[in-house]
Amino acid sequence: DQQVKQNSPSLSVQEGRISILNCDYTNSMFDYFLWYKKYPAEGPTFLISISSIKDKNEDGRFTVFLNKSAKHLSLHIVPSQPGDSAVYFCAARRADGGTSYGKLTFGQGTILTVHP
Amino acid sequence: NAGVMQNPRHLVRRRGQEARLRCSPMKGHSHVYWYRQLPEEGLKFMVYLQKENIIDESGMPKERFSAEFPKEGPSILRIQQVVRGDSAAYFCASSPPGYRPHYGYTFGSGTRLTVV
Repeated sequence: DQQVKQNSPSLSVQEGRISILNCDYTNSMFDYFLWYKKYPAEGPTFLISISSIKDKNEDGRFTVFLNKSAKHLSLHIVPSQPGDSAVYFCAARRADGGTSYGKLTFGQGTILTVHP
Repeated sequence: NAGVMQNPRHLVRRRGQEARLRCSPMKGHSHVYWYRQLPEEGLKFMVYLQKENIIDESGMPKERFSAEFPKEGPSILRIQQVVRGDSAAYFCASSPPGYRPHYGYTFGSGTRLTVV
């Protein structure tokens, strides 16, 4: 049961342009959504998160948008840089105060390639 | 300020042997999480531990897998009688005490287990 899905395995973008990475989820109990970046042979690095009560959160070049009715979120990177080339994972968690908040449910990842 | 330390980075085991993966959390972090990434897939939650306590083990296979986080020393993920399907990257993450649902864990660089 894939509760968090990233349907685009890869994305190729020119340097300086916008990168848009998409993520869909099925579990309406998720309260927080997070994006991670991962380089080969390294662990994931946290980028940005958003609460389900918000529709946008911005941090520098990274903006995450949440459409709760569509159960869809996206990560915008503007402007894209070659160093942004990595695998991007979206993840979701419940925050209902129980032990489940420790668990992140990840999507399959999208490989972003930014060309100079 | 060292990050999450995992060792070994690479581990090769023959079928039927035991694998022990170690994780030292960041200084001041008392919560540890283990995730597994199979080839071409996202990260899957395995277990969430605090010192001397297993908080959520809903992602752990029912047999052969166990985890601990003792009062002193690193967290250990133990896989008994390994099989080829256990070949994966195992990531450990940590977080400080306190309830922070927007918090992105800090991940280690992972242990790549190969079962031959």
